[in-house]
Amino acid sequence: DTAVSQTPKYLVTQMGNDKSIKCEQNLGHDTMYWYKQDSKKFLKIMFSYNNKELIINETVPNRFSPKSPDKAHLNLHINSLELGDSAVYFCASSQAPRRDYGYTFGSGTRLTVV
Amino acid sequence: GNSVTQMEGPVTLSEEAFLTINCTYTATGYPSLFWYVQYPGEGLQLLLKATKADDKGSNKGFEATYRKETTSFHLEKGSVQVSDSAVYFCALKEGAQKLVFGQGTRLTINP
Repeated sequence: DTAVSQTPKYLVTQMGNDKSIKCEQNLGHDTMYWYKQDSKKFLKIMFSYNNKELIINETVPNRFSPKSPDKAHLNLHINSLELGDSAVYFCASSQAPRRDYGYTFGSGTRLTVV
Repeated sequence: GNSVTQMEGPVTLSEEAFLTINCTYTATGYPSLFWYVQYPGEGLQLLLKATKADDKGSNKGFEATYRKETTSFHLEKGSVQVSDSAVYFCALKEGAQKLVFGQGTRLTINP
């Protein structure tokens, strides 16, 4: 029973392509997130949704578009992929956007743009 | 803005050695503090947390105390094992805002 599951685990694609990463959580959490981890392991938040409503939208290129069809799912669509988009993308969820709640992370999607 | 600074890695220790990974933070209010661990090829797992000053978080032999006066949350373990080899992240969260991570510290334990 995976709590936060992401698909695919690995994604290799050419520059200019459009791709999507899917995320689902079965924890009943209200809040979901996308983080990007670069090659030096630095983690940076991209987006956050609470009950399907966008609450955090960091400085991310417009080519990245999150979609939350329901509170258990948060997908990430990327248009016109660039070499610099290569990274590991993590989905996470939290019971609520409260200061004392940590996140539960998925196992990551390693995106390689060639 | 809020930020977290961890000691530079990588850190290499022998099995049964004492571990300290330093973490200091900058925040405008009263954040909660967290340590996460990332094993190779996996996502991050919550290791421990503390939500107010002088709280001590502990789990799996790891401990960290929320020190408001020094704005620190150092991770310690008395006797490390090879299985503790991983990347460790300190993080803070203030209010309903995002979790802000430090840069991570890679730990390698040699048998």
